[in-house]
Amino acid sequence: AQSVTQPDIHITVSEGASLELRCNYSYGATPYLFWYVQSPGQGLQLLLKYFSGDTLVQGIKGFEAEFKRSQSSFNLRKPSVHWSDAAEYFCAVGITGGGNKLTFGTGTQLKVEL
Amino acid sequence: DVKVTQSSRYLVKRTGEKVFLECVQDMDHENMFWYRQDPGLGLRLIYFSYDVKMKEKGDIPEGYSVSREKKERFSLILESASTNQTSMYLCASRPADALGAGTQYFGPGTRLLVL
Repeated sequence: AQSVTQPDIHITVSEGASLELRCNYSYGATPYLFWYVQSPGQGLQLLLKYFSGDTLVQGIKGFEAEFKRSQSSFNLRKPSVHWSDAAEYFCAVGITGGGNKLTFGTGTQLKVEL
Repeated sequence: DVKVTQSSRYLVKRTGEKVFLECVQDMDHENMFWYRQDPGLGLRLIYFSYDVKMKEKGDIPEGYSVSREKKERFSLILESASTNQTSMYLCASRPADALGAGTQYFGPGTRLLVL
């Protein structure tokens, strides 16, 4: 079965600094990979997703993620963080033929210092 | 825009009560999902449905049941609520996709407190 690991439970960055959130997955073939963001009291919003092709994926709100097969990773990055980026971020994996199911990581809580 | 709505944002129930959580989507999606979200555990799939009257158990179905009588509506039922079911419940929907690569769209969540 597939699994997702987000090793950082909490991360604090200063506004304007760069950000990288880590995500590692376990799956035998090429997975479908997603990053979602959850603002306080809200549901999840899709930031970006990777299916195939270019391993650098651009998303909304200035985020990008890079799929690295050799490292089984799909890390999320942003060059300059804004205070409004404070939220919880979830990485998720889906599999070919898995049809309906996504497996989510445990999330990384981002705090932005002004 | 896809819209997924959940009947309540906050709910307080007593132990042993029967609880209904309702979810409605307006995009004619075939697939619908119920998750619970707990700190440090992320999102865990309770049940999902790939068509009207069709359902499959997710990873943590114990203590829950579901109903899907109409395509746009997916209900989560707690037959006899217990305190360990205090949680945030999230509904999601997605169009049918044989590859499994489609985006899931989430509702705002229902925070349930069982006393």
